[in-house]
Amino acid sequence: GAGVSQTPSNKVTEKGKYVELRCDPISGHTALYWYRQSLGQGPEFLIYFQGTGAADDSGLPNDRFFAVRPEGSVSTLKIQRTERGDSAVYLCASSTTGSGEQFFGPGTRLTVL
Amino acid sequence: AQSVTQPDIHITVSEGASLELRCNYSYGATPYLFWYVQSPGQGLQLLLKYFSGDTLVQGIKGFEAEFKRSQSSFNLRKPSVHWSDAAEYFCAVGSGGYQKVTFGTGTKLQVIP
Repeated sequence: GAGVSQTPSNKVTEKGKYVELRCDPISGHTALYWYRQSLGQGPEFLIYFQGTGAADDSGLPNDRFFAVRPEGSVSTLKIQRTERGDSAVYLCASSTTGSGEQFFGPGTRLTVL
Repeated sequence: AQSVTQPDIHITVSEGASLELRCNYSYGATPYLFWYVQSPGQGLQLLLKYFSGDTLVQGIKGFEAEFKRSQSSFNLRKPSVHWSDAAEYFCAVGSGGYQKVTFGTGTKLQVIP
């Protein structure tokens, strides 16, 4: 079956602009996660959704970052007033509730010039 | 707070040689432990996981890992490395429930002929 997909695969933007990154989880997976992976680092947790609601957004670095999952499937990570420090690969993962295993998408590489 | 240490940033092994990648974790309760592999341009793939039970865990691609509570370690091993194993390997620890996962900084494996 289809895995987790993320679009776009690459996004280049200018400092101060707004960007949206999309994640399509595996069908039927109720849990969805966003991570950020900076160069030379491991993925860093940003936010976790259970269904439509954000169950834990403690990893969002500041209020410029926001994520939604209005219908409990597709999720969008939104970044306002982008900064050069936001440049990273943004990973999405999904899982069935309680299974523990997260399936990761290929990521979106965001470059802020 | 949970944390993971991967002391080796980069490891080079000859094809056919054995491999051990080190991982130490910090977590107050019984941890959920994972090893992931990330190849260039690919999403993270789960190699194996430990939740409870037998402390020697078998995974995909011939990998295994051993949970040692006394040493707070979860080292990854493979008896004979193949060139296709060249990738970056991440150890991770999760808390219970929805698996808020904390990743280490990764170990990049190079395989030489």
